[in-house]
Amino acid sequence: KQEVTQIPAALSVPEGENLVLNCSFTDSAIYNLQWFRQDPGKGLTSLLLIQSSQREQTSGRLNASLDKSSGRSTLYIAASQPGDSATYLCASSNSGNTPLVFGKGTRLSVIA
Amino acid sequence: NAGVTQTPKFRILKIGQSMTLQCTQDMNHNYMYWYRQDPGMGLKLIYYSVGAGITDKGEVPNGYNVSRSTTEDFPLRLELAAPSQTSVYFCASKTGLPTGELFFGEGSRLTVL
Repeated sequence: KQEVTQIPAALSVPEGENLVLNCSFTDSAIYNLQWFRQDPGKGLTSLLLIQSSQREQTSGRLNASLDKSSGRSTLYIAASQPGDSATYLCASSNSGNTPLVFGKGTRLSVIA
Repeated sequence: NAGVTQTPKFRILKIGQSMTLQCTQDMNHNYMYWYRQDPGMGLKLIYYSVGAGITDKGEVPNGYNVSRSTTEDFPLRLELAAPSQTSVYFCASKTGLPTGELFFGEGSRLTVL
């Protein structure tokens, strides 16, 4: 059974810093991996999706990478801003029919 | 294009009452899901559906029921509400393609007293 882990649970950084959020998964036979953002009291918003055949995806200041052999994905945020403060969750599935399994998230605070 | 719509947003129930959380999507997605989110516990899958007429249990199905009579709608029924069902419930949907992102509703916050 796929398990997804995100460490650390919380992270605080000064504005302008580049940062990396980590996601580990136990089963390397993944179908795709998705990163989400969740603001307090809100639903989850998809940030990036990486297919099994891809190594990375980029959107603006965000870059997500995937290394299936090591069971790891990272979300790189460049030049962090206070508006980036939120909880970031990663999730993966093993097939198109299999539900996504979520990590517990990393709560990011960017201090002005 | 409204995406995934959940109602109600907030509800307070008494122990033993029943209710239905509504979820509808307008993206013609085959796959729909119900998750619950508790503080510090992450998202837990309750039930999911891969198409109209097909449902399956997730990790925490006890105390809940679902139906999928149409592609658009996936209601979650709570029977005999218990305090342990106090949570935030999220409905989500996607296609089955490798590029299919999971889209979430805004959530339904349920309190059982």
